[in-house]
Amino acid sequence: EVQLVDSGGDLVQPGGSLRLSCAASGFTFNTHSMHWVRQAPGKGLEYVSAINSNGDTTFYADSVKGRFTISRDNSRNTVYLQMANLRAEDTAMYYCARSEPGRFSFDYWGQGTPVTVSS
Amino acid sequence: EIVLTQSPGTLSLSPGERATLSCRASQSVSSSYLAWYQHKPGQAPRLLIFGASNRATGIPDRFSGSGSGTDFTLTISRLEPEDFAVYYCQKYGTSTGYTFGQGTKLEIK
Repeated sequence: EVQLVDSGGDLVQPGGSLRLSCAASGFTFNTHSMHWVRQAPGKGLEYVSAINSNGDTTFYADSVKGRFTISRDNSRNTVYLQMANLRAEDTAMYYCARSEPGRFSFDYWGQGTPVTVSS
Repeated sequence: EIVLTQSPGTLSLSPGERATLSCRASQSVSSSYLAWYQHKPGQAPRLLIFGASNRATGIPDRFSGSGSGTDFTLTISRLEPEDFAVYYCQKYGTSTGYTFGQGTKLEIK
């Protein structure tokens, strides 16, 4: 059974840092691109970042470029989102998701981990 | 940048009725790059349709997707009580990555 377990969300002050993790199981992790998507309170889904299967290609939404870094450890079946210089507008539920090779949609999602940026 | 606009913002229907949700792109989108999701409060989003018209694994056949170019549609043929949720379309762009529409809330009338 495919499982994605998100963790690491917390309350952090503006300007602070946080690292989210997504532990994967039940599939061949190193053949899938992985993604982070967030949902701010009362808002819709917003795409955040992506990393390809071997980790050598990444993508960031303009809203997080230069502040967030996505990475993966294929030996640990885990993808990370390092968030720095956090702002109030980064407050959201953060979900990791996977895409199948050659497909442009997200077929499995984690349960989400909440990030609150507030003083 | 291609923008996805979903309509209506809210759709009020009764169980058993047919729901038609629209997703319009500001520029043409390859059908291969268009997907639909269902999202319920407190749950992870769920993939319904990929490639504009292909049902994801385990999705009931009352859900169907259609369209091409700039106009895409998600149809739920006969609403079940568990279908009331927020629905998002999503597109992929080679240089712009993934983008979601703003969502359509399907509520019980």
